Amino acid sequence: DTGVSQNPRHKITKRGQNVTFRCDPISEHNRLYWYRQTLGQGPEFLTYFQNEAQLEKSRLLSDRFSAERPKGSFSTLEIQRTEQGDSAMYLCASSPRGGPYEQYFGPGTRLTVT
Amino acid sequence: DAKTTQPTSMDCAEGRAANLPCNHSTISGNEYVYWYRQIHSQGPQYIIHGLKNNETNEMASLIITEDRKSSTLILPHATLRDTAVYYCIVRLGNTDKLIFGTGTRLQVFP
Repeated sequence: DTGVSQNPRHKITKRGQNVTFRCDPISEHNRLYWYRQTLGQGPEFLTYFQNEAQLEKSRLLSDRFSAERPKGSFSTLEIQRTEQGDSAMYLCASSPRGGPYEQYFGPGTRLTVT
Repeated sequence: DAKTTQPTSMDCAEGRAANLPCNHSTISGNEYVYWYRQIHSQGPQYIIHGLKNNETNEMASLIITEDRKSSTLILPHATLRDTAVYYCIVRLGNTDKLIFGTGTRLQVFP
């Protein structure tokens, strides 16, 4: 059982730099989700893919954020010109076709913007 | 999606049942009740979900009131490893995103 994997697990960057995170979902899952979690809060939905199609984006996903899932397998989340307010845990989850199925979460990538 | 209300924190002695309440008074007929938990520094973990009937699996039981306005997650024999934040989420069957609140921080003590 490989589960959902995320890389890197930790990222420290300086304000203004670009960062990219990767998520590898469970292999047979066609749905992939990105969430962001700040300290003391529950995860907040960012965006969702079904196969390679990005079907929904939250208002939280400003124009500095972009997510892709080019071949319907792994996904990347890029943040351009990072700000201190982007410091958070970025969580990826996947679920199989159909629903309402549970989402399986990865361990997250913790971003610190200095 | 309907809003849920949960206590901020709860304590439970190891080996005893932990009963975590959730109010969802505005739930609609086709919305499911989901429970996830998040152990410190890990991603959320699915526990159980239900629509109308009570549900049980290897992790927990979910009791939903007849009017569906509230539910209780029961961990029958809590262990120290059950210490986590527990999230109650109400979700439409055809909605993919999960909307988390701030959850209940459950502390299991020896």
